Amino acid sequence: GQQLNQSPQSMFIQEGEDVSMNCTSSSIFNTWLWYKQDPGEGPVLLIALYKAGELTSNGRLTAQFGITRKDSFLNISASIPSDVGIYFCAGQGGAQKLVFGQGTRLTINP
Amino acid sequence: DTEVTQTPKHLVMGMTNKKSLKCEQHMGHRAMYWYKQKAKKPPELMFVYSYEKLSINESVPSRFSPECPNSSLLNLHLHALQPEDSALYLCASSQRSYFDRPAAFSGNTIYFGEGSWLTVV
Repeated sequence: GQQLNQSPQSMFIQEGEDVSMNCTSSSIFNTWLWYKQDPGEGPVLLIALYKAGELTSNGRLTAQFGITRKDSFLNISASIPSDVGIYFCAGQGGAQKLVFGQGTRLTINP
Repeated sequence: DTEVTQTPKHLVMGMTNKKSLKCEQHMGHRAMYWYKQKAKKPPELMFVYSYEKLSINESVPSRFSPECPNSSLLNLHLHALQPEDSALYLCASSQRSYFDRPAAFSGNTIYFGEGSWLTVV
């Protein structure tokens, strides 16, 4: 089945630092989605990417849909305490199933 | 407005109980989903409904029974669950269904609810 490799699994950074995480796949996807999940809550959509090569920003967040359609990255600039949480990438191919990465747990030291 | 609402937020049930989780969306979305999430793991797909019809069942045990009474509502009926079924159950929806036009399915964004925490004792 399709698998996503998300890295890093965890990050410990200082407030104000930039963050970068990425996902790679063995399969081609038509859509890449990035979610953030806080403890006890459902995943919240951060950025949706629909075209290969697309670069999209949402405030301090920037994500790109890789040109090969097998990878995507998410950058967070100037991190703040509320950025703490688990970030999931998710890819969607031709069917309705969303394939999730294993998540990146972000911890910020003030 | 991209809101998917789930009730209850927390549920504790015994192994002989029958309970239900409920999900509602008023965005006119045509596809609705149930996911199960264990701690520190990504969500796992359980069921997909397209146009109120079950389109995907990921080999989920029959003690979980989904129901889609109308295009806005999705239920998950629970009966004779096991302690290992304790998890966060997430409902989600998306505008398009795969059965619209597969070629148009690209660009279909899935929105999640806040989840229902289920504890089976």
